[in-house]
Amino acid sequence: GQQVQQSPASLVLQEGENAELQCNFSSTATQLQWFYQSPGGSLVSLLSNPSGTKHTGRLTSTTVTKERRSSLHISSSQTTDSGTYLCAIGASGGNYKPTFGKGTSLVVHP
Amino acid sequence: GGIITQTPKFLIGQEGQKLTLKCQQNFNHDTMYWYRQDSGKGLRLIYYSITENDLQKGDLSEGYDASREKKSSFSLTVTSAQKNEMAVFLCASTKMRTKNTEVFFGKGTRLTVV
Repeated sequence: GQQVQQSPASLVLQEGENAELQCNFSSTATQLQWFYQSPGGSLVSLLSNPSGTKHTGRLTSTTVTKERRSSLHISSSQTTDSGTYLCAIGASGGNYKPTFGKGTSLVVHP
Repeated sequence: GGIITQTPKFLIGQEGQKLTLKCQQNFNHDTMYWYRQDSGKGLRLIYYSITENDLQKGDLSEGYDASREKKSSFSLTVTSAQKNEMAVFLCASTKMRTKNTEVFFGKGTRLTVV
């Protein structure tokens, strides 16, 4: 089945620094979504970006489908960005079953 | 916008007990999912359903049953709770698009088995 590898597994930053999170996947994906999960919380959709570059607020995602990789860039990190970032991929179709990576745990210190 | 409501938020069960978790969504989405999240193991798909009365097994379906009696609701049953089991069960839903399909999640049910 599909495999999703996220790196780094954990990241510690000082407030104001930028973060770069990576998602690599084993097979062609026509759907890709980034999520944020606060400690003890549920998953919140950040953006859907199966190809190209997409911006929302301080987040920029770049997906290179042919190379089976996506990145999520967080600019000027804030302490409230702390949490886990998950990448999910899948193929379009009636039986859409997103496969998740294990996530990157981000801690932003004041 | 819409919301996915999971009940209960916390569930404490006894070993061998049959436990049912419920999920309701008002997005009018066709597809609904049940995932299990364990520390260090990420999210694993238990069951999903692409329409009312449809059921599809995920990677972790053994030990679980599911039911989709109406489009807006999807329930999950743990057929026999395992002692010391602790996990978060997450319900999700989506409306398939050609591109930029977004999956939305409920807040989860935390299960503890004593």
